[in-house]
Amino acid sequence: KAGVTQTPRYLIKTRGQQVTLSCSPISGHRSVSWYQQTPGQGLQFLFEYFSETQRNKGNFPGRFSGRQFSNSRSEMNVSTLELGDSALYLCASSADSYYGYTFGSGTRLTVV
Amino acid sequence: AQRVTQPEKLLSVFKGAPVELKCNYSYSGSPELFWYVQYSRQRLQLLLRHISRESIKGFTADLNKGETSFHLKKPFAQEEDSAMYYCALSGHGSGYSTLTFGKGTMLLVSP
Repeated sequence: KAGVTQTPRYLIKTRGQQVTLSCSPISGHRSVSWYQQTPGQGLQFLFEYFSETQRNKGNFPGRFSGRQFSNSRSEMNVSTLELGDSALYLCASSADSYYGYTFGSGTRLTVV
Repeated sequence: AQRVTQPEKLLSVFKGAPVELKCNYSYSGSPELFWYVQYSRQRLQLLLRHISRESIKGFTADLNKGETSFHLKKPFAQEEDSAMYYCALSGHGSGYSTLTFGKGTMLLVSP
């Protein structure tokens, strides 16, 4: 079956702009999580959605937001981009989070 | 607060040598522990999880609650094991739906 799909793969944006990243989870998976990966901070949890509801949120500013649709697809939005937002953004999905998550390939965001 | 510590950034061994990637955690409750692996130019993959008590690709990991450790071991390293390894924890406080990752250990296996 198809894995977790993230689009686009690469993005270049200018400071102050906003960006929307998309994630299609594995069919049947209702839990979708987002992570930011940077060389300095490693993998950091952004938020998690289950059945269109945000269940958990990490320690990121309000410029980072997300949502989940009825088909479990998820989007995350970053407004007023800063240089420090340059990172690989990973989406992960799970049928039962207790057993772990399957990750997508990520979207590489570069802010210039 | 939950925390995962992987003390080694890089572990370099020769093919056939035993491997132990260290992971220590801090969590006031009953965590679930995972090892994820990222091979070069590939996505992050779940390698094994404590709850399953399985051996994947020859790797095993035992949860030691007394020492709060979840070290990853393999008796004989192979060149194809070269990758970045991340230890991760999820806790009941978040419904086991958030993962806290360590900074990762790069394993290099030389011929």
